[in-house]
Amino acid sequence: NAGVTQTPKFRVLKTGQSMTLLCAQDMNHEYMYWYRQDPGMGLRLIHYSVGEGTTAKGEVPDGYNVSRLKKQNFLLGLESAAPSQTSVYFCASHPLEVLFYEQYFGPGTRLTVT
Amino acid sequence: KQEVTQIPAALSVPEGENLVLNCSFTDSAIYNLQWFRQDPGKGLTSLLLIQSSQREQTSGRLNASLDKSSGRSTLYIAASQPGDSATYLCAVRDGGYQKVTFGTGTKLQVIP
Repeated sequence: NAGVTQTPKFRVLKTGQSMTLLCAQDMNHEYMYWYRQDPGMGLRLIHYSVGEGTTAKGEVPDGYNVSRLKKQNFLLGLESAAPSQTSVYFCASHPLEVLFYEQYFGPGTRLTVT
Repeated sequence: KQEVTQIPAALSVPEGENLVLNCSFTDSAIYNLQWFRQDPGKGLTSLLLIQSSQREQTSGRLNASLDKSSGRSTLYIAASQPGDSATYLCAVRDGGYQKVTFGTGTKLQVIP
C-alpha cells in the first residue's frame, strides 16, 4: 500500500492564481481531511469528508473548496490564492471506526503564494 | 473550545537519557489522544493512540499515559537516541468524529 499520497509536493503561486491539491489514499478509508500547518499554530482543519460525495467545513475553510467524487481521492482547491494561504498542507485519512483507529497522514504540500 | 498545550516547545538532551514530553488539554471529554512524530519537511507519523478508557500504551521504547481527569498525557522515551530527534505532536479527538485539536509540538534534539 502506498498509504496517503499528495500531489504536488511543492508549488509557488502568484496572488490570484488558482490550483488544486490532490490527496489519494489506497486504504479504503471513509474519512479524509485537509489541514494546514503554520509555525506556532499547530495543524488546523480546513475541510473534511466522511465519505464519497460528502464534504464539510472545518475550522478555517474560507478561501478553499473541496470535492470527494471518488472515495480514494480528496481534492483541495484554491480559487484565488492569497499570501495568507502560504502554508504546508497535509491530508489525512482513517477508517469509519474513528474511536479505534489512528489518522494516517500524507507527506504534505508546501505552498508559497507571492 | 478544546485547547491543547505542549510544554516545553523545545528540548535538548544527551543521548541515552530518559525523557518525558507533556501534553495538556482543557476539555476532559475526549474520545482518544494520539501522539505523532514529525521530521523536518515531512508528514506526521503516528506513534501511539490511547483510547479514553485506557491509561497507557506502549510501543518499544515509547510509553504514553493518559489522565483524563487532570487533562494530561505524557510521552515517555527511554534511552533516547539521536534518531529520536524530531518534533512530537499530540492530538486530541473530541466533540465528534471530525474534531481533532493538535498541540503545537515539542521539538526534541538528542545530542550524541
